[in-house]
Amino acid sequence: EIVLTQSPGTLSLSPGERATLSCRASQSVRSTYIAWYQQKPGQAPRIVVSGASNRATGIPDRFSGSGSGTDFTLTISRLEPEDFAVYYCQHHENPPPSWTFGQGTKVDIK
Amino acid sequence: QVQLQQSGPGLVKPSQTLSLTCAISGDSVSSNTAAWNWIRQSPSRGLEWLGRTFYRSRWYNEYAESVKSRITINPDTSKNHFSLQLNSVTPEDTAVYYCARGGGNFDHWGLGSLVTVSS
Repeated sequence: EIVLTQSPGTLSLSPGERATLSCRASQSVRSTYIAWYQQKPGQAPRIVVSGASNRATGIPDRFSGSGSGTDFTLTISRLEPEDFAVYYCQHHENPPPSWTFGQGTKVDIK
Repeated sequence: QVQLQQSGPGLVKPSQTLSLTCAISGDSVSSNTAAWNWIRQSPSRGLEWLGRTFYRSRWYNEYAESVKSRITINPDTSKNHFSLQLNSVTPEDTAVYYCARGGGNFDHWGLGSLVTVSS
């Protein structure tokens, strides 16, 4: 099973700054199968990026995803107050059916 | 607009069965393009995919290896919902349980149901 390791655990930044979140897979994966989610306290996760680099519907263009092989990145170009949240990367493969998530990166206000 | 409405008990005794239902609006459980999933989240295990049901000319169910011996996900076409049953629960099954739509990734989620396993 693929293991996803996210870094850093916490990113303390100010509004307007750039956020760079990393997700490393334990072995090479297809970028088509990588997604990123945003989760705010008390809410369900919300998809931000699918296929490693495709913004989901309604996601502003300050969010961008990139990467290939084992290393993937979610970048938020200029943090807005509503962007402070926990972000998870996710991978899937089938067969056997397996959807795995990273442990999350918390972006909080400095 | 797809909405998923979860329901079920918030407290389950150890060794008993956890049961949750997810009612779908704005889509169909019988859709030939969607899949209907259960995912849980706990501080110790993080986000964990449990299983899914989907229809592609016939019904399919797929389950995570970690719960395969204890889980059943069933669609109900008459009510346009799907359900989760997790047998023989222990305190380690305490988590927020989510239903979600998605094939490779999850584009719509329920609000979540906190289920506590305790006597």
